[in-house]
Amino acid sequence: GDSVTQMEGPVTLSEEAFLTINCTYTATGYPSLFWYVQYPGEGLQLLLKATKADDKGSNKGFEATYRKETTSFHLEKGSVQVSDSAVYFCALSGSSGGSYIPTFGRGTSLIVHP
Amino acid sequence: DAGITQSPRHKVTETGTPVTLRCHQTENHRYMYWYRQDPGHGLRLIHYSYGVKDTDKGEVSDGYSVSRSKTEDFLLTLESATSSQTSVYFCAISGRGSSLETGELFFGEGSRLTVL
Repeated sequence: GDSVTQMEGPVTLSEEAFLTINCTYTATGYPSLFWYVQYPGEGLQLLLKATKADDKGSNKGFEATYRKETTSFHLEKGSVQVSDSAVYFCALSGSSGGSYIPTFGRGTSLIVHP
Repeated sequence: DAGITQSPRHKVTETGTPVTLRCHQTENHRYMYWYRQDPGHGLRLIHYSYGVKDTDKGEVSDGYSVSRSKTEDFLLTLESATSSQTSVYFCAISGRGSSLETGELFFGEGSRLTVL
């Protein structure tokens, strides 16, 4: 079946540091890939997405590129802020012709210090 | 705003009592999901629905039942709550507009359940 593996946290950075959170996946077919963010005390919300190979999703300074050859969708940001402290989830969906049971990674906690 | 609300947002109950959590959506999404979130386990799917009266089990369905009698509402019931069901429960929706193609989910804000 489908699976998503993302780096374990917590990831601790100083403000303005470069961020990478690794995500790799296993899936049949051509899934859509997502990064969701969960701020403290809130539900998950979509951060960015990519629906086909070589697509780059971007939002709020975050980017991720759909790499089919390496089955990866790593999240990056050039300069993090304290307000980026949250839990980040990599996910995929739709790998098998319309399957709507998304597969989530376990989440990576990001802590950004001033 | 995806128009999804969960109730109650917080509940404390005792072992053995029944509990029902409600998810209500105003966006006419076809698919609805119940997840639980626990430290070290990420998100785990309990049950999901792909239409009115059409539901199926997820990976951690034991001890839970669901019902969807109309498009807007998806109820999660713990028939006899146990301490292991202490968790944060999230409802999610999908299946309208662009999310019908991509499978993008919209989440509620969560319901924190404590079973003493």
